[in-house]
Amino acid sequence: ETGVTQTPRHLVMGMTNKKSLKCEQHLGHNAMYWYKQSAKKPLELMFVYNFKEQTENNSVPSRFSPECPNSSHLFLHLHTLQPEDSALYLCASSPSGGEHTDTQYFGPGTRLTVL
Amino acid sequence: GQNIDQPTEMTATEGAIVQINCTYQTSGFNGLFWYQQHAGEAPTFLSYNVLDGLEEKGRFSSFLSRSKGYSYLLLKELQMKDSASYLCAVLDSNYQLIWGAGTKLIIKP
Repeated sequence: ETGVTQTPRHLVMGMTNKKSLKCEQHLGHNAMYWYKQSAKKPLELMFVYNFKEQTENNSVPSRFSPECPNSSHLFLHLHTLQPEDSALYLCASSPSGGEHTDTQYFGPGTRLTVL
Repeated sequence: GQNIDQPTEMTATEGAIVQINCTYQTSGFNGLFWYQQHAGEAPTFLSYNVLDGLEEKGRFSSFLSRSKGYSYLLLKELQMKDSASYLCAVLDSNYQLIWGAGTKLIIKP
């Protein structure tokens, strides 16, 4: 247990569906991250939130929409996804974002399959 | 561009020693991380190196040479539970983590 939980663990959706991924951290951290992990590829940073403010958006398509209501919770809203969006979506948190060398702590991920 | 290279897959024998290499070319350097990721699970932190040299932590050690853009993770007395992917990541000058694709380590009895 890393102190970061994600739900659901597995999700299958059609291209016209709307779904949301949830992440919660119990570590008292102030920064939260969404990553995409595809087979045999490096982790791709999608979004960064620092003290609930979005500080990074790595040219992610608008069909992915993040939401951070407070420092402990992070959502990723999905709509009209493509089959190539199928991947493992990882959430992470760290004590602080910005110019720090803090270790990131990861959740177990949501395995997303888009049909 | 920024690049992290590590072998895709390695195989080793239970009880043996294995070294997983990582070379990097990044815009600036603020440290290098190693993470372990078992299949279907969260990546978990193993080590952080920012100065040259070897850091030992039990059966695992991590080495860094900044002048060569090179690191390795050394695993001793391998156990079956060490079968996992090992991810190398470098913190660049903007404090962004640049990730390698990971090395899948297979341990055989």
